Amino acid sequence: NAGVMQNPRHLVRRRGQEARLRCSPMKGHSHVYWYRQLPEEGLKFMVYLQKENIIDESGMPKERFSAEFPKEGPSILRIQQVVRGDSAAYFCASSPTGSGIYEQYFGPGTRLTVT
Amino acid sequence: AQSVTQLDSHVSVSEGTPVLLRCNYSSSYSPSLFWYVQHPNKGLQLLLKYTSAATLVKGINGFEAEFKKSETSFHLTKPSAHMSDAAEYFCVVRGGNNDMRFGAGTRLTVKP
Repeated sequence: NAGVMQNPRHLVRRRGQEARLRCSPMKGHSHVYWYRQLPEEGLKFMVYLQKENIIDESGMPKERFSAEFPKEGPSILRIQQVVRGDSAAYFCASSPTGSGIYEQYFGPGTRLTVT
Repeated sequence: AQSVTQLDSHVSVSEGTPVLLRCNYSSSYSPSLFWYVQHPNKGLQLLLKYTSAATLVKGINGFEAEFKKSETSFHLTKPSAHMSDAAEYFCVVRGGNNDMRFGAGTRLTVKP
């Protein structure tokens, strides 16, 4: 059973470009979470999705950031018009349900560098 | 609101000596608590979790943690450190919306 997969692992974008980060949850998991880790900091929650639904996006910046988890295919975190401050590691996690007894399984992360 | 505070940003131990990484939590109800480890440029790996069963939780690689409600603590321990334990450790509490709320992390250095 493959774990959570994220691609690309490393992404370099110039200021003003768009960044698309992909996350495939573990098989059988229908809940996906995105987190951002700035250098020397812990992970900060961004958004929680189920298939075709955004459950909680309280951690998402109001502008330029969006996320989706379509019925088919991976979850996508999209950052439009990237700025240097978006440089960070972005982690995706999945769980089988939203129940609090389940831990979240994390992917290896996508390291975004904005030049 | 649920939150965790890791009391040490950096801990340094010698190989073979005990490890103690401290974490205090704040929660308005019985919390679900986790410890994750992150090796350099790697993803996060779950070490152990507490979900209101036994207060002493055993995890992988010889780590364990004890939930102490009276002290609102969930400290991570290991009797004998190995070089391979050098990493960043995160104490995490599950939030009300199922999000995971991370502490700032403790960097563990293991000296030979």
